[in-house]
Amino acid sequence: NAGVTQTPKFRVLKTGQSMTLLCAQDMNHEYMYWYRQDPGMGLRLIHYSVGEGTTAKGEVPDGYNVSRLKKQNFLLGLESAAPSQTSVYFCASRLGYFVTEAFFGQGTRLTVV
Amino acid sequence: KQEVTQIPAALSVPEGENLVLNCSFTDSAIYNLQWFRQDPGKGLTSLLLIQSSQREQTSGRLNASLDKSSGRSTLYIAASQPGDSATYLCAVSGRDNAGGTSYGKLTFGQGTILTVHP
Repeated sequence: NAGVTQTPKFRVLKTGQSMTLLCAQDMNHEYMYWYRQDPGMGLRLIHYSVGEGTTAKGEVPDGYNVSRLKKQNFLLGLESAAPSQTSVYFCASRLGYFVTEAFFGQGTRLTVV
Repeated sequence: KQEVTQIPAALSVPEGENLVLNCSFTDSAIYNLQWFRQDPGKGLTSLLLIQSSQREQTSGRLNASLDKSSGRSTLYIAASQPGDSATYLCAVSGRDNAGGTSYGKLTFGQGTILTVHP
């Protein structure tokens, strides 16, 4: 019973490097989200998707891009990493937004040096 | 803009105590409220989901209540155990700032760090 799986779990990047974080869910959920968690700031929404082929901006989208080519996968890309993007990234999914709960992955701890 | 506040920020209690964690939100037009638990270095585990039409939900030793009109929710933990030590997060889902649906986007509180000592 995998639920929401994030890859990788840890990563260290140099400033200016790029990378992609992968989120995969096996629950046939329609809605998927990327959040970042920072001390003192709590969890903030980066981007989200309401279905395959759709993406939308959240609260803090600058410096990130996303894609949802397949329903089960939601990719978060950093084109040119900056130290300000050092954070813990969480992916979440939910079947519907009105009555169903959100499920979260285990997180990706990213350090940009 | 929806804002969620959790009080207290930290709580330390001896094992066996019953305790209450508080969550308040500024916009009462929510679809639902969810309580999560987060262990250090781990992801978020869903504890309870309360729909806007519900007053409370129970799971084992946990009971969450919702008073939507006053913008408040409480998480009651009965007979606390050291294994309950974690950060507890409250999050709401509702309308966006323009009055349309937020598509399940969650607005989180800062969390309550709970320590239960033997």
